[in-house]
Amino acid sequence: EPEVTQTPSHQVTQMGQEVILRCVPISNHLYFYWYRQILGQKVEFLVSFYNNEISEKSEIFDDQFSVERPDGSNFTLKIRSTKLEDSAMYFCASSEGGGTVGNQPQHFGDGTRLSIL
Amino acid sequence: AQSVTQPDIHITVSEGASLELRCNYSYGATPYLFWYVQSPGQGLQLLLKYFSGDTLVQGIKGFEAEFKRSQSSFNLRKPSVHWSDAAEYFCAVGAGKGRRALTFGSGTRLQVQP
Repeated sequence: EPEVTQTPSHQVTQMGQEVILRCVPISNHLYFYWYRQILGQKVEFLVSFYNNEISEKSEIFDDQFSVERPDGSNFTLKIRSTKLEDSAMYFCASSEGGGTVGNQPQHFGDGTRLSIL
Repeated sequence: AQSVTQPDIHITVSEGASLELRCNYSYGATPYLFWYVQSPGQGLQLLLKYFSGDTLVQGIKGFEAEFKRSQSSFNLRKPSVHWSDAAEYFCAVGAGKGRRALTFGSGTRLQVQP
């Protein structure tokens, strides 16, 4: 079964440094997402991306964050200047195009654990 | 805005026993509802979804869930739990109306005793 793959599985970064998290969505999917889960807290939506632009974002997704689809297969999340509170598990997801959120469910990767020191 | 409540943080059941994990949602219209499972070190795997039609939905791994509009609930059930079902379970709601963001509950950790 096709999978969403994320690299690296664990990223350790100094506070203030830029970090890029990488994802390869399922190949025929057209919607891409980032979520995060701070340790012990809920999974939270960050951003969705469709047709090379952000289609929806949460309050968490401020100017420090950006997303990009640099080529036909990768989808990246960049955090410009990391803070301690950015430490979390970051999940990438993708879904097919068309339809609604109900009949086009999101498929998640295994996540990247980001640790900010 | 929609919200999801999973009242049980941690549940322990014996292998072979039945299971019910509770999920309550808050949303003004008919929601899109999902259950995901997360095994240690793994991502979120979709167990089942509801968006219309029959209120009892079947999922993978022998799980089912029932949508009850009157109770704003979408509880997950399994008649006989296996040790491999030990994991964290998340209920999620999607608002629809062109929006695709999912709102997750805080999760229920399931432990299975031999």
